[in-house]
Formats: sequence, structure tokens, C-alpha cells
Amino acid sequence: EPEVTQTPSHQVTQMGQEVILRCVPISNHLYFYWYRQILGQKVEFLVSFYNNEISEKSEIFDDQFSVERPDGSNFTLKIRSTKLEDSAMYFCASRRTWDSPYEQYFGPGTRLTVT
Amino acid sequence: GQQVMQIPQYQHVQEGEDFTTYCNSSTTLSNIQWYKQRPGGHPVFLIQLVKSGEVKKQKRLTFQFGEAKKNSSLHITATQTTDVGTYFCAGPRGGFKTIFGAGTRLFVKA
Repeated sequence: EPEVTQTPSHQVTQMGQEVILRCVPISNHLYFYWYRQILGQKVEFLVSFYNNEISEKSEIFDDQFSVERPDGSNFTLKIRSTKLEDSAMYFCASRRTWDSPYEQYFGPGTRLTVT
Repeated sequence: GQQVMQIPQYQHVQEGEDFTTYCNSSTTLSNIQWYKQRPGGHPVFLIQLVKSGEVKKQKRLTFQFGEAKKNSSLHITATQTTDVGTYFCAGPRGGFKTIFGAGTRLFVKA
């Protein structure tokens, strides 16, 4: 069964450093998402991406964040200058169509630790 | 803004007991999805509900969508230890945003 993959599984970085989290969505999917989950808390929407542009973003997704689909397969989330409060699990998700089924397929996540 | 509230936050049950989690939206939803997240894992899609009053079953799991399409529930009959995890409801907001409830974490004691 096709699956969403994410690398790395764990990233440790120092405050102020840039990080890039990588995702490979399922190949025939058209809609891509990044979510954040602080330990023990709910899944928070960050951004959605369709047709090579951001379709919607949350209040969390400020100027420090950017997304890109550089080569038609990878989907990346960049955090320019990490803060301690960026420590969380970051999930990538993809979805095949806009209409039903609305199922989003989640990757295994990248645990980001900012020290 | 639109909120999706979910209760209870935690539920401890003895294996074999039933479990229910409830989800309420401040606005009408076009659809609602349910996901399960095992400890240390990622959310996995369980089901989607689209129609007003819809009821769907998956083995011991029963999902309901309210008549006003603002609330939903997930009921598990005779819980097993494999049911352990956090159950999230999620609904669309606007065009491309999905709002997740806070989740209900289920603990099952053998």
C-alpha cells in the first residue's frame, strides 16, 4: 500500500538555526499538508498546498515558515530561524482529490527538538 | 473562528467495557473525519461521514453524524487492548484547512 514518507525521523537543532523537513507524498495525490503536534496535544494545521502554491495557512505559519515542492515528488517545510517553541512532531499529509473521499494520509512524522 | 471541541479528554476503561467520544463543532460541517493515533504513531484515517444523521459501522466501532451536521460521536463496543490510542475528529474549515479536535485518549486495562 502506498504511503507518505518523511525524513528525518528526528532532528535536533539549536535555536536560531534553519531546518528543512522533507516529505514524499503518495504519487498520485494532489493536495499536501503540514501539521504540527506538540507532545500530548492536538494536531494543528499549518499549511495546505495545491498546484504548486499555498492554498491556506494558519496563524502559526508565519514568515519563519515556508513550503516548497521543488521537484514534483518532495514536499518540504523550512523553518528559517527555529525557536524553542517550534519543538514538536511535524506531520506531512496528502490527499488524492478535493472531493470525497476526504481521507488524508499522514506520514510517520519528524520529531523536531530545538535546544 | 470555527472550533471543534471533543470530550472527554481521557477515558480509562476495563477491557470489555464500552467507550464513546463526542465531537462538537461551532459551525455546520460539510463532512467529518475520524482518525486514530496510536501512542508514538501518526494519525490514521478511520472513516468519513458526509450526510446528516449518517451512521456507519466498522466492526465494533459505530460512528454517527448529527442531524444538524455539527456534532459526531464514535462508540466502541467491548473495548480491547488494541483500541488504545487517541481518537481525533476533524472537519474542514473554509477551502483547504482541516481543524482537528483535541482528541480523546483511550486507556484500556486488561
